[in-house]
Amino acid sequence: QVQLVQSGAEVKKPGASVKVSCKASGYTFTSYDINWVRQATGQGLEWMGWMNPNSGNTGYAQKFQGRVTMTRNTSISTAYMELSSLRSEDTAVYYCARGPMATIFDYWGQGTLVTVSS
Amino acid sequence: SSELTQDPAVSVALGQTVRITCQGDSLRSYYASWYQQKPGQAPVLVIYGKNNRPSGIPDRFSGSSSGNTASLTITGAQAEDEADYYCNSRDSSGNHLYVFGTGTKVTVL
Repeated sequence: QVQLVQSGAEVKKPGASVKVSCKASGYTFTSYDINWVRQATGQGLEWMGWMNPNSGNTGYAQKFQGRVTMTRNTSISTAYMELSSLRSEDTAVYYCARGPMATIFDYWGQGTLVTVSS
Repeated sequence: SSELTQDPAVSVALGQTVRITCQGDSLRSYYASWYQQKPGQAPVLVIYGKNNRPSGIPDRFSGSSSGNTASLTITGAQAEDEADYYCNSRDSSGNHLYVFGTGTKVTVL
């Protein structure tokens, strides 16, 4: 069965960076995009960007351009999302989601809580 | 700010029908997908494309689109349908970039 398992919760200070991992299993990792979505407490979903694990190509929401980097390690079927220059407003649950086609996110990770606090 | 606008909240009596709408310019050219999210859980895809349901999604969920508005309809709402619902589509640039709607809280009375 398809599974996306994310790394554990993180606590970071303002200005630091965080790198969240998303390990895929149950399908061919390089055949589907990985998207990243975040959700602050009590707020809506916010799409951050996508990565094609086969080519490494990426596309980022304008809001995160210059601060986010999405990468992968195909040998271990794992995608990564790194967000830099963290501020308190980045405190949120970060999800990875498989994207078989545009706007379709059919399997999601369990979420990773990132807390930014001094 | 989101380019896809949804009503913040709607309510529906048990067994009745509710329609949730999503408005945005990109919807004139692209389909929306719809996600259900219950408290403390990851979102779940319920509708994609013209009107397609993933395996396991009840047929009381349906989708439609007209002009700049996409709609998700729940026909015969059940207590377990109480959740937040989000639409998603391409952003207004039409590039391989996406955006979620503002979300709608559905309450089943």
